[in-house]
Amino acid sequence: DARVTQTPRDKVTEMGQEVTMRCQPILGHNTVFWYRQTMMQGLELLAYFRNRAPLDDSGMPKDRFSAEMPDATLATLKIQPSEPRDSAVYFCASARILGSQNTEAFFGQGTRLTVV
Amino acid sequence: KQEVTQIPAALSVPEGENLVLNCSFTDSAIYNLQWFRQDPGKGLTSLLLIQSSQREQTSGRLNASLDKSSGRSTLYIAASQPGDSATYLCAVRPPGAQKLVFGQGTRLTINP
Repeated sequence: DARVTQTPRDKVTEMGQEVTMRCQPILGHNTVFWYRQTMMQGLELLAYFRNRAPLDDSGMPKDRFSAEMPDATLATLKIQPSEPRDSAVYFCASARILGSQNTEAFFGQGTRLTVV
Repeated sequence: KQEVTQIPAALSVPEGENLVLNCSFTDSAIYNLQWFRQDPGKGLTSLLLIQSSQREQTSGRLNASLDKSSGRSTLYIAASQPGDSATYLCAVRPPGAQKLVFGQGTRLTINP
């Protein structure tokens, strides 16, 4: 049963601390997305990668957020330093995209981040 | 810029009814549209993917239609059940992009 796996599921941290969230995309998917969900803003796209290369990270605050794909089985999202306004649920999703065609995008269960 | 709207934001119906959820998008040039459901505290579960060349997709009691020219999609749920209670989101993939643009969702409650 292929699925996107995210760790940790929940994270509580103090303001100023570094937070790292991890995602294992579905094997064979070449595109990985990071979204953030809040009650006020809904789902916001932070960044996405195709074949491990960052294509668009315009949704991320560049001064504190960074996203990487060290290899095809791991994507990371880091926040340093974290702030209370970063509290949200962070989702990773993956899909196989070839030109105009793509498979369904599958989402992980999310990381619920609380910054106090 | 592509924008996706889902109206109403919340819907409550008695069990057994057939219902329709709406999704509209401002730019009709899309590659495809995907419907998801999200249960409280959970991730998004893919329900149906409609390619731009298709008019509809069906899965069990769910039927999604796509009318690109009018910028609309509907998700039809037949014989609703309390287990269908969730938030339903639609997302479109704009041409030339890999990302998905989401609506704000419709929170559906099916009352026993």
